Order: sequence, then structure tokens, then C-alpha cells
Amino acid sequence: EVQLVESGGGLVQPGRSLRLSCTASGFTFGDYAMSWFRQAPGKGLEWVGFIRSKAYGGTTEYAASVKGRFTISRDDSKSIAYLQMNSLKTEDTAVYYCTGLTMVQGVIGWFDPWGQGTLVTVSS
Amino acid sequence: QSALTQPASVSGSPGQSITISCTGTSSDVGSYNLVSWYQQHPGKAPKLMIYEVSKRPSGVSNRFSGSKSGNTASLTISGLQAEDEADYYCCSYAGSSTFVFGTGTKVTVL
Repeated sequence: EVQLVESGGGLVQPGRSLRLSCTASGFTFGDYAMSWFRQAPGKGLEWVGFIRSKAYGGTTEYAASVKGRFTISRDDSKSIAYLQMNSLKTEDTAVYYCTGLTMVQGVIGWFDPWGQGTLVTVSS
Repeated sequence: QSALTQPASVSGSPGQSITISCTGTSSDVGSYNLVSWYQQHPGKAPKLMIYEVSKRPSGVSNRFSGSKSGNTASLTISGLQAEDEADYYCCSYAGSSTFVFGTGTKVTVL
């Protein structure tokens, strides 16, 4: 069964850091780019960033709202993608989802599968 | 770039067909056949329903179909069922390693 499971969410104070993990199973993790999205309560989906597969250089792209504060990495040997979040703000409060990203000839195709999400609450 | 424009809500009775539009520009929807659609039930993760404009992933009902004309993509749900009540988002590649999501549409089954 293809599955993504996020972990690491919780309550954190503003200015602190948190690292989310996304553990994959049921597919060849290393062949896929991996992306993170978030969804604030009652809001739509917001893209956070993605990391390409090693075949495409393993490079990253980020949304302007998190660039410089968030870092995505991957460990293909463990089939895990990470989202390191630093200098957290109250507006970062959201459910965070990881997804697989199929790239078509090197460009962004579609997002599948999706994890169940993990809640991050930034509050003092 | 700006979000793709979707109607805030669409409704229909069981058994009817509904269509959700997704309007972009010549820089995104109009230029690439990389439009995808996602279904999200309340409190649940999004689910891929359509990719590459009109292809269905394995396991997705053939009641869901996608199309594109010019700068507008569409998702049609035929034989509407209660379980189809959810939020739907479109997405398009927009060039230069960027993509754009739609504003989201709430589908209500009357």
C-alpha cells in the first residue's frame, strides 16, 4: 500500500523550531520529488516547498512566505522527507501535509500520494 | 502569480452532473497540459482525482472527468453522489519550476 505518514507536529512557541518527518512506504521513494503543503484552519491549501529527486539534483524550491526559515531535505535510504521549520510565527499554524510529486520531463506534474497531515500550532 | 479562479461553490442534486471551472492565463493553464484536480473532504487530506488535464488515477471513479479549453480547465462530476460533497482544487504548472493552485470550490449535494 502506498502511504505517507507525517510526524513531529505539536505546540511550539513563536521563534522556536520544529522538524516534521514524512515516512514513505509502498513506492520507490527515491524516484519521486517530495513536497510539503499546509492548510491553516478554515483556509485553502498553501504550498510550502518541494525537493527534487536525486536524479534531478535533489534541489529545493520554497514559497516566498517560508523561504529562509524552512528547509526541506530527504534521506532516500530511510524513505523520509523532512521539513525543518525555524523562527516560527503564529501565522505558521496549520496542518502540514507531505506529498509525492511526479515530475514530467523535469517540470512539476501532479501531487500524489498525500499524507494524513500533522498539526503545528505556534502559540505562546 | 495569481491563484487560478474557481467558483466558490457549486451544488447539484443526486444523479445530476456538475462542472467546476478553473480559469488561469496563457502562462499556466493555457500553455501546459499539466492541470490536476484534488478532492478534499473536511478534516481529511487532499486526494488526486485528475492529472494531465483528463487522466484518472487508478481507483478514481469514472464519474470524474477533466477537460481544458484555452485558459480554462474543467472538472465534471456526473451522477452526483452524497460522497462527492467536498472541496475541490485545481492546479496547473506555470513555468520556471512554479505552479499555481486554484481558490477552491465547495461542492454541495442537495
